Amino acid sequence: DQQVKQNSPSLSVQEGRISILNCDYTNSMFDYFLWYKKYPAEGPTFLISISSIKDKNEDGRFTVFLNKSAKHLSLHIVPSQPGDSAVYFCAASAGAAGNKLTFGGGTRVLVKP
Amino acid sequence: ETGVTQTPRHLVMGMTNKKSLKCEQHLGHNAMYWYKQSAKKPLELMFVYNFKEQTENNSVPSRFSPECPNSSHLFLHLHTLQPEDSALYLCASSHSGRSGEQYFGPGTRLTVT
Repeated sequence: DQQVKQNSPSLSVQEGRISILNCDYTNSMFDYFLWYKKYPAEGPTFLISISSIKDKNEDGRFTVFLNKSAKHLSLHIVPSQPGDSAVYFCAASAGAAGNKLTFGGGTRVLVKP
Repeated sequence: ETGVTQTPRHLVMGMTNKKSLKCEQHLGHNAMYWYKQSAKKPLELMFVYNFKEQTENNSVPSRFSPECPNSSHLFLHLHTLQPEDSALYLCASSHSGRSGEQYFGPGTRLTVT
């Protein structure tokens, strides 16, 4: 049973427009959420995170929104750039589990010039 | 060399072989992880080591045997694997404890024939 789900396997967006990636979770014990980006032949790289005490965290072109009541988070990338084309994973951890991360299946983003 | 490195990058082995995957981190972290990524599946946590001690074994079959001789090195010893064990094996490291920001290596692409 997948506790973290990314229901959109792929997303195509025009350069300069907004990319919105979604992630849903089922475990109410999760209290820390992260987004990772992965290029082919490389390991995932950390992008941005959010604690459950917040509902928004922004870092440059990347913003993560958390809706705890809906158990839903999203990543907004604006403006999207061709270099953003990659697979994006959301991940979650529960305080009691410390540094154990549960990952979603990933969303492949293609930014068209 | 910086970051998290993994060797070999690619490995083909028969079901009766014994091989080892190596991971090294140069980030001063004290937690290290093994993940498995099978085709069309989310990253699955296999093992967690904190300060050289194994703190998580996510119901991994005994044909996978981890070893963490010090905080900078992590091995995954493989023996009598099955074809379904073919996957990308990723190593990661982080500061121990609450932070979920893990730094990943490029992975070893394993094929079991």
